[in-house]
Amino acid sequence: AQSVTQLGSHVSVSEGALVLLRCNYSSSVPPYLFWYVQYPNQGLQLLLKYTTGATLVKGINGFEAEFKKSETSFHLTKPSAHMSDAAEYFCAVRVRGYQKVTFGTGTKLQVIP
Amino acid sequence: DTAVSQTPKYLVTQMGNDKSIKCEQNLGHDTMYWYKQDSKKFLKIMFSYNNKELIINETVPNRFSPKSPDKAHLNLHINSLELGDSAVYFCASSHPEAGQGYTFGSGTRLTVV
Repeated sequence: AQSVTQLGSHVSVSEGALVLLRCNYSSSVPPYLFWYVQYPNQGLQLLLKYTTGATLVKGINGFEAEFKKSETSFHLTKPSAHMSDAAEYFCAVRVRGYQKVTFGTGTKLQVIP
Repeated sequence: DTAVSQTPKYLVTQMGNDKSIKCEQNLGHDTMYWYKQDSKKFLKIMFSYNNKELIINETVPNRFSPKSPDKAHLNLHINSLELGDSAVYFCASSHPEAGQGYTFGSGTRLTVV
């Protein structure tokens, strides 16, 4: 079975500060990992994904994430938060060979001016 | 030129009614999904179709019935609506390649009164 755990349902950072959103996964086989962002009253948008190869993946809007197999983690980071980054962020996992994507419970990012 | 479009965007209806939500994608994807997002933002998969064939059917009341007339369309019909059905319903599609993420529609906010 596959699952993801997002640590912290709410994260607050100051504008210009580092953003760190935590995600740990559980999968019996090497997974595909994703981060999505959801702005208010909108659908989810893919930020970045890890499939194979380089463990540090870069996405849109200056976000990046690092796949760490030994820690079963896929934390999302951004060096400097902007007000426009305020949104809900979801980590997701998909097991190779299966269609189903399992989402974490989400982390709401608040950016303080 | 919307990639995944859902209609209607908002749906307010009384308990006991029957309603449908429509979804269309123009991305050429073979697989489509319905997800339910509750008031706490938790995303739960309901159904998935691959080229008109049902491949994922989670534990969902049988009042919910998906229909896929072709691979570009996936509709969701709900009979005898209950208060607990109030949520945002998202349609999504994906490429058969498992490493690709989903493309989501903007959601249908269903309110049962």
